[in-house]
Amino acid sequence: DTGVSQDPRHKITKRGQNVTFRCDPISEHNRLYWYRQTLGQGPEFLTYFQNEAQLEKSRLLSDRFSAERPKGSFSTLEIQRTEQGDSAMYLCASSLGTGGPDTEAFFGQGTRLTVV
Amino acid sequence: SQQGEEDPQALSIQEGENATMNCSYKTSINNLQWYRQNSGRGLVHLILIRSNEREKHSGRLRVTLDTSKKSSSLLITASRAADTASYFCATDALRNSGYSTLTFGKGTMLLVSP
Repeated sequence: DTGVSQDPRHKITKRGQNVTFRCDPISEHNRLYWYRQTLGQGPEFLTYFQNEAQLEKSRLLSDRFSAERPKGSFSTLEIQRTEQGDSAMYLCASSLGTGGPDTEAFFGQGTRLTVV
Repeated sequence: SQQGEEDPQALSIQEGENATMNCSYKTSINNLQWYRQNSGRGLVHLILIRSNEREKHSGRLRVTLDTSKKSSSLLITASRAADTASYFCATDALRNSGYSTLTFGKGTMLLVSP
């Protein structure tokens, strides 16, 4: 399967713990996005990488959140000191190109985080 | 913030009927994309329409785009129970940073009954 893969698929953690999610994009894709989705809502943009450079971060991405894409391939999203409000589906997507009219994004299956 | 807004929020139809979902957005776009999401799963890309296109077809899907009204519609013809899912429009547009990313609406939940 050469699609976007995310790991783990599900994560249950206690409040205050740190968690890290991984995303492996489609291999030739240079753009990578992280989104967060809560029940009944559409995905909300968190951050965007072009190759290894993190070019944009949403205001939703508080100081407790950090994302990396060290070699321009896979990416990690870490949440420190988790809070119950962090419970959501975290989605990763990738696309090829520099933006523009034909940029089609492909999503992974998501990591569902539950903070108890 | 979410740029796109889908209408209706929920739609319930019988198999064989057509389903139409609408999306409105606020800013200039590079393209508009429609995605489907089954409950608790990831998003599946359905179709992309460029800002200079007015209509596009893919199988039983028909998408229209009216940039003057900043709106799009997704028509699913001859619906099947397997089409039951949430449908999202997403706009690829330049953000204040100068980079373009996808911004999603809240979605339309479609229920197709046998």
